Amino acid sequence: QKEVEQDPGPLSVPEGAIVSLNCTYSNSAFQYFMWYRQYSRKGPELLMYTYSSGNKEDGRFTAQVDKSSKYISLFIRDSQPSDSATYLCAMRSPARTNAGKSTFGDGTTLTVKP
Amino acid sequence: DTAVSQTPKYLVTQMGNDKSIKCEQNLGHDTMYWYKQDSKKFLKIMFSYNNKELIINETVPNRFSPKSPDKAHLNLHINSLELGDSAVYFCASSQENIQGSGANVLTFGAGSRLTVL
Repeated sequence: QKEVEQDPGPLSVPEGAIVSLNCTYSNSAFQYFMWYRQYSRKGPELLMYTYSSGNKEDGRFTAQVDKSSKYISLFIRDSQPSDSATYLCAMRSPARTNAGKSTFGDGTTLTVKP
Repeated sequence: DTAVSQTPKYLVTQMGNDKSIKCEQNLGHDTMYWYKQDSKKFLKIMFSYNNKELIINETVPNRFSPKSPDKAHLNLHINSLELGDSAVYFCASSQENIQGSGANVLTFGAGSRLTVL
């Protein structure tokens, strides 16, 4: 079983929809949770980063972490065609215990149609 | 000014050849990585260097040899290329939290797309 499982997609939504992207994980040592966005033929770029459980909001994006359920989500409000990309969740335990290694989900490809 | 730059961007080569990919970062980060992304978008870590010292070496065939001449550069040499090596290879860098307990978020390069025929 993979350490990180991500809802596979692909996901296609109309412009303006609320999008929910989700990952589950099995390693209870994970404390740092990231979402990366990857446009076609580009490298992933960090979108959101949260530490431990809770919510974090940045504009139209909200990241949620529920450590008790080992479940993380990324919500996109008022989705735009420019949000069309592959979204990768990533997580890691503290650097001193895993030498900086981030474990990624498989990615969910989102298409927002005008 | 590109933060993490990789060359070449595209590589097309025959099976059995040897090839290298170079990476440079100008962010002053002390840790650099090589990740491999397959056709299904799965990103898997291969190697990590911290201040020129190899700290992560995942189960990768020894045909792959990384080299870090200084903390701003990390190269990847691949011997005897095989069809299964076709993928996009991403270089990334990060800055370790001084106490070693930070998130260590990654800054990626644009990728080097390797096609082995």
